Amino acid sequence: GQQVMQIPQYQHVQEGEDFTTYCNSSTTLSNIQWYKQRPGGHPVFLIQLVKSGEVKKQKRLTFQFGEAKKNSSLHITATQTTDVGTYFCAGQISGTYKYIFGTGTRLKVLA
Amino acid sequence: GAGVSQSPSNKVTEKGKDVELRCDPISGHTALYWYRQSLGQGLEFLIYFQGNSAPDKSGLPSDRFSAERTGGSVSTLTIQRTQQEDSAVYLCASSKTGWTDTQYFGPGTRLTVL
Repeated sequence: GQQVMQIPQYQHVQEGEDFTTYCNSSTTLSNIQWYKQRPGGHPVFLIQLVKSGEVKKQKRLTFQFGEAKKNSSLHITATQTTDVGTYFCAGQISGTYKYIFGTGTRLKVLA
Repeated sequence: GAGVSQSPSNKVTEKGKDVELRCDPISGHTALYWYRQSLGQGLEFLIYFQGNSAPDKSGLPSDRFSAERTGGSVSTLTIQRTQQEDSAVYLCASSKTGWTDTQYFGPGTRLTVL
């Protein structure tokens, strides 16, 4: 079946280090969304990417959508303790209206 | 209210009992979604309501699960004859018109089946 995998599953970084999570789909996506979920909280929408090769930035966060629209990445520069949480991608399967959520990457930032 | 609300926030029940979980979407949002999140896992889609259209129930894991949306607003997710594997956080989200819009999530209901 259609799957959206994220790697790594867990990542521990020292504060100030960079962090990247990758999202890979088994099928072409119409668009991809990214969510952040703080420990004990609910997912909060971060961004949506639609175009092939699109790159968007939000302060220290950089989001990319692959040329083939099957993968995406979220890169955080100089992590801070406030970046702690689980980052989910959600891909909309081309030709459908459904989103499939990735497995999530849990980020811990050590001060 | 300004956001999506869910009740109860926590529910502990015994195996075999029925439970009802409630979701109040953001006013004016026509799309409503239910998800399940098991401990340490990603979000699992359950059901999607869009306006007056027939709901997409393709994510419901068994016929013990059902959901209603009355008057295009409040939704209730019902789990009959609960099992221990139903223990999870059940999240509701709403968006203005549909899947391509930003989904705003509620705080979730933590269900524990003993």
